[in-house]
Amino acid sequence: GENVEQHPSTLSVQEGDSAVIKCTYSDSASNYFPWYKQELGKRPQLIIDIRSNVGEKKDQRIAVTLNKTAKHFSLHITETQPEDSAVYFCAASGDRDDKIIFGKGTRLHILP
Amino acid sequence: DVKVTQSSRYLVKRTGEKVFLECVQDMDHENMFWYRQDPGLGLRLIYFSYDVKMKEKGDIPEGYSVSREKKERFSLILESASTNQTSMYLCASSPPEGDTQYFGPGTRLTVL
Repeated sequence: GENVEQHPSTLSVQEGDSAVIKCTYSDSASNYFPWYKQELGKRPQLIIDIRSNVGEKKDQRIAVTLNKTAKHFSLHITETQPEDSAVYFCAASGDRDDKIIFGKGTRLHILP
Repeated sequence: DVKVTQSSRYLVKRTGEKVFLECVQDMDHENMFWYRQDPGLGLRLIYFSYDVKMKEKGDIPEGYSVSREKKERFSLILESASTNQTSMYLCASSPPEGDTQYFGPGTRLTVL
């Protein structure tokens, strides 16, 4: 089955700098890659997603890139702000079923 | 707005007790999921359901069962709670084409 690896597990960046979180997946049939943000004490919420027919997607300060050949995808946050502090989960999903396999998460700290 | 609710935010039970965790969604979603979230382990799928009275095992079903008698409600059952089932439990739902999952607020279960 699908396996999703996520790195780093913890990331600290200075406010205003960029943050990058990387994930790899094992199943070449996976075609949907969402990213979830979980603030302290709150539920995970979808922040951006990408499908296998595109290589990059951007939404304001957040962007996701996908390299299908290498089976990895990344989340990029530019001009980080204090409210970006949270745990971020990447995930992968395929056509075979509606399951989503999550990475173990990255705790992002934005330093003042 | 999709709304996914869980019956309790916090629950304390004793070893050996039978525990019911309830999840309700109001978007007529076919798919519903139960995860547990533990530090360093991310979100692990316990069980999921594609439709009423249908259920599939996830990655860690041992010690758990589920019930889906109505489309909007998905119950997680711990037949005989054990201390290693102390965790945060998250319910999610998604439409039939899968993809985006919407999470409930979570139930933090402590088994003494």
